Amino acid sequence: AQTVTQSQPEMSVQEAETVTLSCTYDTSESDYYLFWYKQPPSRQMILVIRQEAYKQQNATENRFSVNFQKAAKSFSLKISDSQLGDAAMYFCVLRSGNTPLVFGKGTRLSVIA
Amino acid sequence: DTGVSQNPRHKITKRGQNVTFRCDPISEHNRLYWYRQTLGQGPEFLTYFQNEAQLEKSRLLSDRFSAERPKGSFSTLEIQRTEQGDSAMYLCASSGRMNEQFFGPGTRLTVL
Repeated sequence: AQTVTQSQPEMSVQEAETVTLSCTYDTSESDYYLFWYKQPPSRQMILVIRQEAYKQQNATENRFSVNFQKAAKSFSLKISDSQLGDAAMYFCVLRSGNTPLVFGKGTRLSVIA
Repeated sequence: DTGVSQNPRHKITKRGQNVTFRCDPISEHNRLYWYRQTLGQGPEFLTYFQNEAQLEKSRLLSDRFSAERPKGSFSTLEIQRTEQGDSAMYLCASSGRMNEQFFGPGTRLTVL
């Protein structure tokens, strides 16, 4: 079975500061993908960043970067220079092959002006 | 707009009624997924199509739920004899050659 655990139901960060969202996962597959999706209030789910398990280099997308620790099955998201528009629910997501996405319960991020 | 679209965006129905939702994926995507999201939770997988073939169904998909993708393009999700526990956001996503799934805006169902 594949599982994704997000242990922080809520986080807050001051505008322009940096915040890290935690995620651990479990899978028996060797080939898998990890994603962070963002769901703003009453708005569409959008992909923030993706990481292929076979790549050792951590993915980065502008202000968003991940710390992928394969042996520890850890996949954290770092948001630098936080902006008000970053406020949303963030989901850590696992996918192996063509299987459906497995979502964590989410972390609600608040950005304080 | 070339993204995933879903209709209707909101549906209010009385318990016992049937409802049908539609999803139009990104045109070149051959895989289409349905998820259900309840308040404060992450989406949970319901079912998955590759072209017109329904390849996988979750145990969450009771006999009252049926999904189709007749021509490998749009998909419909029907819930028969709705119950209050069916109230949720129903999300559709599509993917192509890459493993990224692109989500639609969802249909919010409220069963009274």
